[in-house]
Amino acid sequence: DGGITQSPKYLFRKEGQNVTLSCEQNLNHDAMYWYRQDPGQGLRLIYYSQIVNDFQKGDIAEGYSVSREKKESFPLTVTSAQKNPTAFYLCASSPVQGNTEAFFGQGTRLTVV
Amino acid sequence: RKEVEQDPGPFNVPEGATVAFNCTYSNSASQSFFWYRQDCRKEPKLLMSVYSSGNEDGRFTAQLNRASQYISLLIRDSKLSDSATYLCVVNTFSSYKLIFGSGTRLLVRP
Repeated sequence: DGGITQSPKYLFRKEGQNVTLSCEQNLNHDAMYWYRQDPGQGLRLIYYSQIVNDFQKGDIAEGYSVSREKKESFPLTVTSAQKNPTAFYLCASSPVQGNTEAFFGQGTRLTVV
Repeated sequence: RKEVEQDPGPFNVPEGATVAFNCTYSNSASQSFFWYRQDCRKEPKLLMSVYSSGNEDGRFTAQLNRASQYISLLIRDSKLSDSATYLCVVNTFSSYKLIFGSGTRLLVRP
């Protein structure tokens, strides 16, 4: 089935460690996005990519890094520079043309211990 | 000013009530609009797209007002299962950036 897969579902990180969240889609979408959601809050854009080997910072990119080496994959690294990384991370993808919606993965819940 | 703004609520309504949410956007170049539903601790899922002419899907009606730069969602005959957070989403093709509102929380009580 076509879809977007995030892994892992739950992730625990020690302070000072970098961790990488995986996002894979087989929908042939050009655009991919990473959002962060804190409890009771909306979605805030971290990074987005419209095409392979290109990506742009969103509103809260500090402390995060991404790569887009393949159309299907858009991993997010939460670095030790991110001071408050505990949150729910959502990856999405969409076509870049037309009035079509974005599809979301099931999310990764990251907790710093 | 935020690019997309919503009243956070919560809207607390009895079953069977009609409830409406608005969402304002700041970029007049925005070209596509959506309403998503998010249940607690889950990913957002598309509820409906919003077309210029307005559109209806069962108990749900979405409207777009480009002149005033807002979209609306009307829910008729509310059900307990409608309790969720409703997110409006705006896409500007020039930047291919999906911008989400913070969401409006709806609680439907028996």
